[in-house]
Amino acid sequence: DGGITQSPKYLFRKEGQNVTLSCEQNLNHDAMYWYRQDPGQGLRLIYYSQIVNDFQKGDIAEGYSVSREKKESFPLTVTSAQKNPTAFYLCASSFDRAGSQQETQYFGPGTRLLVL
Amino acid sequence: AQSVTQPDIHITVSEGASLELRCNYSYGATPYLFWYVQSPGQGLQLLLKYFSGDTLVQGIKGFEAEFKRSQSSFNLRKPSVHWSDAAEYFCAVGARAAGNKLTFGGGTRVLVKP
Repeated sequence: DGGITQSPKYLFRKEGQNVTLSCEQNLNHDAMYWYRQDPGQGLRLIYYSQIVNDFQKGDIAEGYSVSREKKESFPLTVTSAQKNPTAFYLCASSFDRAGSQQETQYFGPGTRLLVL
Repeated sequence: AQSVTQPDIHITVSEGASLELRCNYSYGATPYLFWYVQSPGQGLQLLLKYFSGDTLVQGIKGFEAEFKRSQSSFNLRKPSVHWSDAAEYFCAVGARAAGNKLTFGGGTRVLVKP
């Protein structure tokens, strides 16, 4: 089955620790995205990548880092500089075809990060 | 910059009744509009999208939405709600010129009474 997988489902972080959230897709999508969701709020874009080895900051990139070494994978690291990391993190992906009007983003099941 | 407003944080509806969720957007160019649904602890599922053409868009699960440019709105409707429609609904506007980025509204949580 084609889709987007995120792991782990739940993740616990200790003070001062960096943690990495995994996102993998087998949809042959070009672009991948990371969003943060807080209770009662919509999704906010952290980082996105339209092509391998390239990525751009979203609206709330401070305290986060990403890499895009493979087309299928877009891991997100929550660093110790992120002072309020407790949230639900969603990964998405889409095609990025030249000349298209707009591409639809498809979402993974999410990872809930909790601070101990 | 684009923005999306969903004025209703919570809506309670009886099973079998009709449902309308409001969405207003602000965007200077042609908007590309989406509705997604999220069950508790899950990811987002696409219900429908509007890129161009017919302003009344049909989606999955019996939902439809109407794009009204004059009102900057993209309201979601369902004629008869089922208990399984209880979820949170998000409206989003896309920006192809900015890397397909999506801007989301704050969401509307729908509760369905038996």
